Amino acid sequence: GQSLEQPSEVTAVEGAIVQINCTYQTSGFYGLSWYQQHDGGAPTFLSYNGLDGLEETGRFSSFLSRSDSYGYLLLQELQMKDSASYFCAVHSGYSTLTFGKGTMLLVSP
Amino acid sequence: DSGVTQTPKHLITATGQRVTLRCSPRSGDLSVYWYQQSLDQGLQFLIQYYNGEERAKGNILERFSAQQFPDLHSELNLSSLELGDSALYFCASSPPNSGNTGELFFGEGSRLTVL
Repeated sequence: GQSLEQPSEVTAVEGAIVQINCTYQTSGFYGLSWYQQHDGGAPTFLSYNGLDGLEETGRFSSFLSRSDSYGYLLLQELQMKDSASYFCAVHSGYSTLTFGKGTMLLVSP
Repeated sequence: DSGVTQTPKHLITATGQRVTLRCSPRSGDLSVYWYQQSLDQGLQFLIQYYNGEERAKGNILERFSAQQFPDLHSELNLSSLELGDSALYFCASSPPNSGNTGELFFGEGSRLTVL
């Protein structure tokens, strides 16, 4: 089976940098994705790491270490609109995604 | 707008009843996934279909069933409903090459309330 661990809540101020960690245990691993969800809305895709290293997309970056079964999402220049839940998700064959329980990010002025 | 359409958006029903949730994937996407999200919980994978065939099954209860039709839309049937089935049910779709990008496109969800 699969299990993922990520912090339940992170707080930060506008303009700051925050890192959300994710550790996983899985049988069969193809990659790690990150999704953002605002207030029960549709989860939206942020990034994907299939190989070790850093992927950068604007203010967001994601990192993967397959040997450590570890990844993180880095959010820079935080804005109020970044307040949301962030989910890491493991890909394990046939594009099946297993999600973590999510990290609620609260950005304050 | 992801291009994935789910109906109904909201549904209130009683224990013991049966409901059907419907999902239309994005044009060209062959895979459909169903996820359940309960209050303060992550997204629990239920089932995946690819071009009409069941591809993977997660923690789906025996009271729940799903299918994908020839036009690729999918339906999730929930029967003998219990209070604990109250949740957001999301459908997602992915293109044939999603293994390279890891991206699923989620609908807005169907919020089921069982009273």
